[in-house]
Amino acid sequence: AQSVTQLGSHVSVSEGALVLLRCNYSSSVPPYLFWYVQYPNQGLQLLLKYTSAATLVKGINGFEAEFKKSETSFHLTKPSAHMSDAAEYFCAVCGNQGGKLIFGQGTELSVKP
Amino acid sequence: DGGITQSPKYLFRKEGQNVTLSCEQNLNHDAMYWYRQDPGQGLRLIYYSQIVNDFQKGDIAEGYSVSREKKESFPLTVTSAQKNPTAFYLCAIWTGLLYGYTFGSGTRLTVV
Repeated sequence: AQSVTQLGSHVSVSEGALVLLRCNYSSSVPPYLFWYVQYPNQGLQLLLKYTSAATLVKGINGFEAEFKKSETSFHLTKPSAHMSDAAEYFCAVCGNQGGKLIFGQGTELSVKP
Repeated sequence: DGGITQSPKYLFRKEGQNVTLSCEQNLNHDAMYWYRQDPGQGLRLIYYSQIVNDFQKGDIAEGYSVSREKKESFPLTVTSAQKNPTAFYLCAIWTGLLYGYTFGSGTRLTVV
């Protein structure tokens, strides 16, 4: 069975500070991993994905994530937070090519001026 | 919404009523999904369909029903058997490993 754990339901950073959102996964097969962002009352948008190519994945809006198999992690980072990054972020895992993503609980990111 | 449309955006239901949420796509993808979102609980899978005229229950299917008569449409009915229907409902299509899911903009259902 696959699962995703996002550590920290709320993360607060100052504008310009490093953003680090944590995601650990469990999968019995090589995983495909995704990060999505959700703004209030909207659907989710894809930030980036890992599909067994490069372990460091770059996404939109300056975000990136590193796949670490030994740590079963796929943490999301951004060097310098912007006010517009305030949103909820979801990590998701898929163990095969057929869809049906399993989502983490989400992490709400707040950015202080 | 990238070719996937949910309607209405807001919906109010009286207790004991059935309501139907619409999800339409024009991207010609086979697999469609319905998720329910509650604060602090992430997204939970209600139903999914990988082909026309076929669908499977997800993790929280009780009190919900779906149909998949056309490739473009995957409506979700919230029945009176669903005791706590107030939530944000998201429809998604699987667009392959390059892009994962494409989501609709969601329907917020409130029981009044």
